[in-house]
Amino acid sequence: AQSVTQLDSHVSVSEGTPVLLRCNYSSSYSPSLFWYVQHPNKGLQLLLKYTSAATLVKGINGFEAEFKKSETSFHLTKPSAHMSDAAEYFCVVSDSPDNTDKLIFGTGTRLQVFP
Amino acid sequence: GAGVSQSPSNKVTEKGKDVELRCDPISGHTALYWYRQSLGQGLEFLIYFQGNSAPDKSGLPSDRFSAERTGGSVSTLTIQRTQQEDSAVYLCASSKLNAGKGAFFGQGTRLTVV
Repeated sequence: AQSVTQLDSHVSVSEGTPVLLRCNYSSSYSPSLFWYVQHPNKGLQLLLKYTSAATLVKGINGFEAEFKKSETSFHLTKPSAHMSDAAEYFCVVSDSPDNTDKLIFGTGTRLQVFP
Repeated sequence: GAGVSQSPSNKVTEKGKDVELRCDPISGHTALYWYRQSLGQGLEFLIYFQGNSAPDKSGLPSDRFSAERTGGSVSTLTIQRTQQEDSAVYLCASSKLNAGKGAFFGQGTRLTVV
């Protein structure tokens, strides 16, 4: 069975400083991993995805994530935070032999960005 | 539009009444998911439809919850005899053949049981 753990429920950074949102996963097969972002009163938006191609994945808005199998991690990073990055971020895993399985969400990390 | 459409966007119902929530997935997407998000919480998986396969109902919290997907397209989530703890945002998502492509979410239905 697959699961995902987001290690921080809240992260606060100053504008212009780096962002690190941590995610660890467990899976039985070769997982697909995703990060979704949810802005206040908005829908969920796919930020980036890993599906067994390049281990460093670039997404929208300058975010990227690195798949590290040895550490079972898929941490989300951004070199310089912007005020508009303040939102809830969800790490998601999908895991089955043919990736037809459901998406399992982490509990989320709320990112605050201070001026 | 080309996205996932959910209706209604907001629903207020009295405790004990039945409600139906509708989801129109993106055309051509064979997979459809229902999730529930309570205030300040993550997403709780409810049910998953994939093509003509039997749905994965493992996340439905009780037998008051059911869902169907007609013709491989539109899906309806039904909650019978609603309770106050059912109040949440119900989110629908769809994806192509497999989840590895990434799923696209609707705006959700905010259900309030009074």
